[in-house]
Amino acid sequence: DAGITQSPRHKVTETGTPVTLRCHQTENHRYMYWYRQDPGHGLRLIHYSYGVKDTDKGEVSDGYSVSRSKTEDFLLTLESATSSQTSVYFCAISESGRGERRIAQYFGPGTRLTVL
Amino acid sequence: RKEVEQDPGPFNVPEGATVAFNCTYSNSASQSFFWYRQDCRKEPKLLMSVYSSGNEDGRFTAQLNRASQYISLLIRDSKLSDSATYLCVVNRGSGNTGKLIFGQGTTLQVKP
Repeated sequence: DAGITQSPRHKVTETGTPVTLRCHQTENHRYMYWYRQDPGHGLRLIHYSYGVKDTDKGEVSDGYSVSRSKTEDFLLTLESATSSQTSVYFCAISESGRGERRIAQYFGPGTRLTVL
Repeated sequence: RKEVEQDPGPFNVPEGATVAFNCTYSNSASQSFFWYRQDCRKEPKLLMSVYSSGNEDGRFTAQLNRASQYISLLIRDSKLSDSATYLCVVNRGSGNTGKLIFGQGTTLQVKP
């Protein structure tokens, strides 16, 4: 299994509070991604990173920001959590090799976030 | 229209059965295709890549039809442990952009 951890694994918070989720990898992979998974929508990309300090938006980036100050860590921040951000959040990484191996992504165990 | 479409199922099959899942994708420029497996309340895990010539991994066979923009997964001799949701995954656009589009998944229940 890819060396990816996420913390916290579960969190309950209140509307309007800031929340930061952490993804940590031990694989030294260049690419890292944050997804959310909701019933009826499948996995949707929030933000991704293609290197330290290099990040870009995905399809559902509103209300989220990210930072990557080290290769191994990718942080997702909800500046002011809303109930619509209740979801399961997955971090993923992909290798820096060539072809298929670079494109396939490997996922962390997920964080279940509930915003009351 | 969704970029990647799958029949959500559930597919309920007895142990030992052969079952096939299909998936269609809308972006003709897509170059890379995968099947992932996701167990309940767990993360998606890569099952196999899908190649134009078709490929097999044990009891699992994947096929790609670029002309019809159609991907399939065949599972032979189903086991109870095959019960899961199977996600069809396609990269968006050409080249190694790394952006993957996930189908909503097809649920398989294998019964004793």
